[in-house]
Order: sequence, then structure tokens, then C-alpha cells
Amino acid sequence: KAGVTQTPRYLIKTRGQQVTLSCSPISGHRSVSWYQQTPGQGLQFLFEYFSETQRNKGNFPGRFSGRQFSNSRSEMNVSTLELGDSALYLCASSLSDPSNQPQHFGDGTRLSIL
Amino acid sequence: GDSVTQMEGPVTLSEEAFLTINCTYTATGYPSLFWYVQYPGEGLQLLLKATKADDKGSNKGFEATYRKETTSFHLEKGSVQVSDSAVYFCALSWGGTSYGKLTFGQGTILTVHP
Repeated sequence: KAGVTQTPRYLIKTRGQQVTLSCSPISGHRSVSWYQQTPGQGLQFLFEYFSETQRNKGNFPGRFSGRQFSNSRSEMNVSTLELGDSALYLCASSLSDPSNQPQHFGDGTRLSIL
Repeated sequence: GDSVTQMEGPVTLSEEAFLTINCTYTATGYPSLFWYVQYPGEGLQLLLKATKADDKGSNKGFEATYRKETTSFHLEKGSVQVSDSAVYFCALSWGGTSYGKLTFGQGTILTVHP
């Protein structure tokens, strides 16, 4: 069974640009969550989607947005990139309720802002 | 708000030594508790979990017991191997409307020498 796939693995952008990251969940999983991992702030929850609806959102500015498609694949977008957005972005999928079922993580997209 | 505190790292041990990584949490009520492990260049993998007080989670020789009296979920292993070298994260989550949101500790780097 294929795991969670995130693309691309690495990305380099400059300040002010925007970026879109992609996450394909495990087949049959309908919940997708996104996290930002930085050395200073650690792992922080961005948002969670289920059946194309955002059910929960963390404490990030509106520049961070996401969506989920009917096949459960998800994308997150960051606009007007800042140096502080440099991070490893992880997505995780679970069957339906990630509070009761294990979340399976992808290997992440490492975003570097120059 | 909720928080998770892990022991200061990094932790360096010799092979076959006993491992303890302390984790305490601050939350109102009884969340589910997790230990995740992250190997270099990879995403997080669920190591074990406990969903109610006095539950013991175990996997691959690792154990942790949910202690509500001390709000703790310490990770232990009787005999570590070089292959256990990784970063370990303690985390909590709630049911209900906290979909997908895991609150993580800062992580503890474990290095095991032959």
C-alpha cells in the first residue's frame, strides 16, 4: 500500500513569490492535515481537510491556505512568501477522524526562501 | 492552551542501554497521547499511543504509560539499538472538533553509539 506522497520534495523560492505544495494521501484516507516544522517553533498544525471541507485551522496568517479535491488529494498555498516561511511542510492522512485514528505522515516538502 | 513538554536533549547512549525520555502535558481533561519518531530525511511515524488514563502503549520494545496523576507519558525502552537513533516527539490530541490537530513537544534527539 503506497504511503503519503508529497511533491515536490525540495523547493527554493524568493520573498514575495507564492508556492503550492501537493499531498496525495493513502488510498481510502479522506482526512488530510498539514503541519509546519521549523527548528525554532517545532511542529505546528496548519489545517485539516475532510471531504473537501476545512474542519480545523491552526494559528497561521491568511497567507497560508489549502484545499482538498474530490479524490482526497490536497494542496496548500503560501502567498507573499517571507523568509520565516522557510520550513519543512508535512502532510498527514487518516481514514476519517484523525483524533482517534493514526495519522500517517509523508516525507515532507522542504521550502527554502531566499 | 494545551502544551507538551519533553526533556531537554540531545540524549546520547551506548547500545543496549536503558532509555527514558520524559514527557509531560498541560491540558484540561484527558487527551489522547502519542509518541512519534522521525528518522533523518523522513516524515513522522507513529510509535505508540494511549487514549485513556492508565493505558500502556507499546511497540518495537518501546513503552509508555498514560499517567493522569502526574500528567505524564514517558517513553522507555529496555535496550536501545543503533537503529533507534532518531528524533522522538510526544504529542496530544482531542476528539470532537479538534480534527487533525496534534500538539507536539519540541522533540528529543536520540543518538545511540555501538
